[in-house]
Amino acid sequence: AQSVSQHNHHVILSEAASLELGCNYSYGGTVNLFWYVQYPGQHLQLLLKYFSGDPLVKGIKGFEAEFIKSKFSFNLRKPSVQWSDTAEYFCAVNARTYKYIFGTGTRLKVLA
Amino acid sequence: KAGVTQTPRYLIKTRGQQVTLSCSPISGHRSVSWYQQTPGQGLQFLFEYFSETQRNKGNFPGRFSGRQFSNSRSEMNVSTLELGDSALYLCASKEGAEDTQYFGPGTRLTVL
Repeated sequence: AQSVSQHNHHVILSEAASLELGCNYSYGGTVNLFWYVQYPGQHLQLLLKYFSGDPLVKGIKGFEAEFIKSKFSFNLRKPSVQWSDTAEYFCAVNARTYKYIFGTGTRLKVLA
Repeated sequence: KAGVTQTPRYLIKTRGQQVTLSCSPISGHRSVSWYQQTPGQGLQFLFEYFSETQRNKGNFPGRFSGRQFSNSRSEMNVSTLELGDSALYLCASKEGAEDTQYFGPGTRLTVL
């Protein structure tokens, strides 16, 4: 069965620190990959997505993610986090079955 | 375009009751998916409807059911509520099978 793993459940960083959140999936075929963000009190928003092409994708608010097919990974990065990045981040995979599989989420807290 | 809307936003029920949640997708989107979000579990996929047909189903008991109308609006019903059904229920819509999914604000269900 398909699954998505986010190994970091809680991350605490100081402002200006660099961020990398891990995401690994299990599925042997072609996948579409997503990162969603849920700010406190707000609904899930799309941060970035990968369908095909350049494996390094850029999203909103300075976030980027790299798809490494050989490692089944789609890690999220940001070179310098801000207090406003405090949120919960979800990795998701959409394979050819059409349904999305989500990871359990990573709660990021950025200290001012 | 207006985003995905869900009603009601908050709901309090007691064990044994049933509940119906409603979702209106983005105009033009024919796919509607439902998720249950709980702390530590992330988003658990319930089911997806596309053009009034259930296309995918998650691993939830038969107490959870849904339907989609010809205008793509969808409803989710939970019968014989249990305490463990307390969660945020999210609806998401997308245009086609492999398109990006957009989420509504959710319905917060509390079962007492």
